[in-house]
Amino acid sequence: DTGVSQDPRHKITKRGQNVTFRCDPISEHNRLYWYRQTLGQGPEFLTYFQNEAQLEKSRLLSDRFSAERPKGSFSTLEIQRTEQGDSAMYLCASSKGQGADTEAFFGQGTRLTVV
Amino acid sequence: SQQGEEDPQALSIQEGENATMNCSYKTSINNLQWYRQNSGRGLVHLILIRSNEREKHSGRLRVTLDTSKKSSSLLITASRAADTASYFCATNTGGFKTIFGAGTRLFVKA
Repeated sequence: DTGVSQDPRHKITKRGQNVTFRCDPISEHNRLYWYRQTLGQGPEFLTYFQNEAQLEKSRLLSDRFSAERPKGSFSTLEIQRTEQGDSAMYLCASSKGQGADTEAFFGQGTRLTVV
Repeated sequence: SQQGEEDPQALSIQEGENATMNCSYKTSINNLQWYRQNSGRGLVHLILIRSNEREKHSGRLRVTLDTSKKSSSLLITASRAADTASYFCATNTGGFKTIFGAGTRLFVKA
């Protein structure tokens, strides 16, 4: 499968624990995005990478959230000291190109449940 | 914050009927995109329409864009049960991020 891959698909964690999610984009895609989606809502933008550079972060991304894309390939999203409000689907997407008119390909997501 | 708002929030139709979903947005855009999401799955890109375009077609899909009214519509013709999904409009206002609306939930009855 050459699509966007996310791991794990599901994560249940206790409040206060740290979690890390991984995203493997489509191999030739230079852009990578993280979104968060709660039930009944559309995805909310979290952060964006162009190659290894993190170019934009949403105000939704508190200090407990950090994302990396160290070699411009896969990316990780870490949430420290998880809270129940962090429970959501975390979606990763990638695209290719330089302009704004690019199609993003989404992974299946990681569903986080904080208990 | 979500720039786009879809209308209706939910739509139930019979197989074979047409489904129309609308999206309104607040600020000027570079492009507008429509995505489909089946229950519990990732999003699939359907179509992108640029700000200087008024209409685009892709198979049974027809998208219109009226920048003067800051609105777009997605028409699915001859709907099928497999079209049952949530449909999201997403706007790019320049820069890197695409902002999604809350979606329209379409149910097509066989």
